[in-house]
Amino acid sequence: EPEVTQTPSHQVTQMGQEVILRCVPISNHLYFYWYRQILGQKVEFLVSFYNNEISEKSEIFDDQFSVERPDGSNFTLKIRSTKLEDSAMYFCASSEVPGAREQYFGPGTRLTVT
Amino acid sequence: QKEVEQNSGPLSVPEGAIASLNCTYSDRGSQSFFWYRQYSGKSPELIMSIYSNGDKEDGRFTAQLNKASQYVSLLIRDSQPSDSATYLCAVGNSWGKLQFGAGTQVVVTP
Repeated sequence: EPEVTQTPSHQVTQMGQEVILRCVPISNHLYFYWYRQILGQKVEFLVSFYNNEISEKSEIFDDQFSVERPDGSNFTLKIRSTKLEDSAMYFCASSEVPGAREQYFGPGTRLTVT
Repeated sequence: QKEVEQNSGPLSVPEGAIASLNCTYSDRGSQSFFWYRQYSGKSPELIMSIYSNGDKEDGRFTAQLNKASQYVSLLIRDSQPSDSATYLCAVGNSWGKLQFGAGTQVVVTP
């Protein structure tokens, strides 16, 4: 069964460093999303992406964050200068059809900022 | 602030019984409604989607939607120990943004 994959599974970085989280969405999916979940808290929407453009972003997704589809398979989330409060699980999701349809989540990347 | 509310639990359910989970949402423009299951330390796993008022059944799971009351529910029949997890209600807008509730922890006791 096709699935979303994410690398790395765990990333430890120092405050102020840049990190890139990588995702490979399900192959025939065209809509991509990043969510995060701080330990013990709700899953929060960060950004949605389609046709090489951001469709929607949350207030969390400030200038420190960017997304890119550098090739036909990868979808990345970059955090330019990490803060302690960026420590969280980051989930990539994808969907086959636009808008309000099923999204399938990857296993997540645990980001720890020290 | 648009919200999705769930009882946090834990909801303790004897093995073989029915677990009933509830969710309310505040955004009347919501287009889609989902239930995800999340095991501790794992990612959300989609178990049900529902888009129109009424009931939708899939195996042991039944989702119910009432848009007028802004209410979504999930029934798990014949609960098994493997159903012990946190169940997340998620509500989607027309662009696909999902807003999640905090989740209801379900504990199935043998």
